[in-house]
This record gives sequence, structure tokens and C-alpha cells, in this order.
Amino acid sequence: QVQLVQSGAEVKEPGASVKVSCKASGYIFSNDYIHWVRQAPGQGLEWMGVISPSGDSTSYTQRFQDRVTVTRDTSTSTVYMELSSLRSEDTAVYYCAREPRGSGNFDFWGQGALVTVSS
Amino acid sequence: QSALTQPASVSGSPGQSITISCTGTSSDVGGHNFVSWYQQHPGKAPKVLIYEVSKRPSGISNRFSGSKSGNTASLTISGLQAEDEADYYCCSYVSSSFVFGTGTKVTVL
Repeated sequence: QVQLVQSGAEVKEPGASVKVSCKASGYIFSNDYIHWVRQAPGQGLEWMGVISPSGDSTSYTQRFQDRVTVTRDTSTSTVYMELSSLRSEDTAVYYCAREPRGSGNFDFWGQGALVTVSS
Repeated sequence: QSALTQPASVSGSPGQSITISCTGTSSDVGGHNFVSWYQQHPGKAPKVLIYEVSKRPSGISNRFSGSKSGNTASLTISGLQAEDEADYYCCSYVSSSFVFGTGTKVTVL
């Protein structure tokens, strides 16, 4: 069965970077897009960015354009999301989600990773 | 890209039908059929209910249905049940990216 398993909770100081992983299993990893979505405490869902099936193309929302980097490692079926220059407002649960190629449908989600930014 | 507009809350009694709207622009909701809907229970990851405006994934109850008119998409839940109490989000493709709605809390009275 399809599974996306994310890395654990992190606590970071303001100004630091965080790298969250998302390990896929149960399907052909190179077929589908992986998106990152975050949710601040008590707030709604916010789309952050996406990486293509081959890993050679990414797209990010303008809000994070200069602070986020998404990469994928085909050898381990893992996608990474790195967010730099952290501030308190980045405290949130970060989710990865799979989009079958060209469907616009986030059909499987990771369990989420809580990132807390605090001094 | 601004979030799509949803009502903050909608409520209904068991067995009733409710509809949640999702209003965007001609660049997102009105511009194509990549509109999806997600249900999220507290502390859980979102779950897809509807994709491509009105398609239901395997395993999703036919009590959930989606539609679109112009720049507004809608999710209808018929035969409301206690377990439908959750937050609901619409999502639309827009210019190589995606945007979510503001979210709607559904309360079953």
C-alpha cells in the first residue's frame, strides 16, 4: 500500500534551517509529484511547493521562494524539504503529499512533522 | 496568490444536506478543472474527498459530491452523519502552483 512516512518533530532557533524528509513506499516513486503543505497551529492549509517525478523541476509559492528548497533522492525514494531563515511564524505541521502525475489530486499524505521555532 | 474563499462554518442536523462554497477567480477555480476537496479531522492529515471538480476516489462515500459554476466550486454532503464533523478545504491549481481555500468547519448539530 502507498505510504509516505515523514521524519520526526524538530525544535529550531530563529534564523536556523530545518530539513524534513518524506520517505515513499508502495508505488513507483519516479511516477508522481510530491508536494509540501504546511499548517500553522489553529490555521488552514498552505501550499508551499512541489517537485516533479524526475526531480529536475520544482515550483514554490512566492511567499517562500527564497527560503525553501525541495529535493528528491530516487535511490532511497525520499523527498526533502528544507526551509531556511526560520522565524516564529514558521512553527507549523509540515505535510508531504503525493499527486499522481497530472491529476491535481493529493491522494496520499504523510503523517505530518511538527516544526517548532523558538528561542 | 490569495487563498480561495470559503465560509468559516456550516452546520446541519443528521440526515440533512449541506453545501460548502469555494470562490476564486478565473485564474484558478474558474480556469480549469483541477479543483479538489479535502476533509481533515483534528490532529490528522487531510484526506481527499473529491478531485477534478466532481470525481470521487475509490472508497469515498457517494454522500460527497462536487460541482463548479464559473469561479465558484461547491462540495455537498448529503445524509449528514456525526463523523462528517471536521474541517473541509478546497484546493485549486493555478499557474504551476496550487492554492487552498480558507477552510470550513462543519458542525453536526
